[in-house]
Amino acid sequence: ILNVEQSPQSLHVQEGDSTNFTCSFPSSNFYALHWYRWETAKSPEALFVMTLNGDEKKKGRISATLNTKEGYSYLYIKGSQPEDSATYLCAFGMDSSYKLIFGSGTRLLVRP
Amino acid sequence: AAGVIQSPRHLIKEKRETATLKCYPIPRHDTVYWYQQGPGQDPQFLISFYEKMQSDKGSIPDRFSAQQFSDYHSELNMSSLELGDSALYFCASSPGQGPITDTQYFGPGTRLTVL
Repeated sequence: ILNVEQSPQSLHVQEGDSTNFTCSFPSSNFYALHWYRWETAKSPEALFVMTLNGDEKKKGRISATLNTKEGYSYLYIKGSQPEDSATYLCAFGMDSSYKLIFGSGTRLLVRP
Repeated sequence: AAGVIQSPRHLIKEKRETATLKCYPIPRHDTVYWYQQGPGQDPQFLISFYEKMQSDKGSIPDRFSAQQFSDYHSELNMSSLELGDSALYFCASSPGQGPITDTQYFGPGTRLTVL
């Protein structure tokens, strides 16, 4: 059984704090790692698709790194804002299949 | 910009009934994916289609079937509904041929409640 694990499960930070969370995935047969941002009552929104070991992606205050050899990815949020409050999901793609295996997400709450 | 459209948004059915969920991908997206998210659970991949052919299959029960039509919209048919089928069903679409490296764009989901 392939497991994608995210930690922590939930995180409460103060506005202005920087934060990061982890996605762990099987390091064998790696093909792609997706990050999504999911606000309540909305659709999951794609943040990054990462495919190369050592890859770093950035979108505004959010960035992500990837280590395929050890099977983890970090998502960083610099200077958290209340509008960053959401669940951040990672999903692992294996070989060239079409299916993504999702983690349970990290629920971030940013207090004003 | 156009997004993925799912209908209906909410559906209530009785046990043993049939339900049909529809997904309209973003224009010029030819790959469609279906996911099921039960209460308190991770999204689980059900099935995907590329160019109207099934491209991959996940944990989809035999009671469920799906297809992609010539206009690229897809329908998920669910028969003999069980209480455990109550979930949020997401559809996503992506462009191009490279499956797992393509960004998937998600629809708002259909919430199915089986009574």
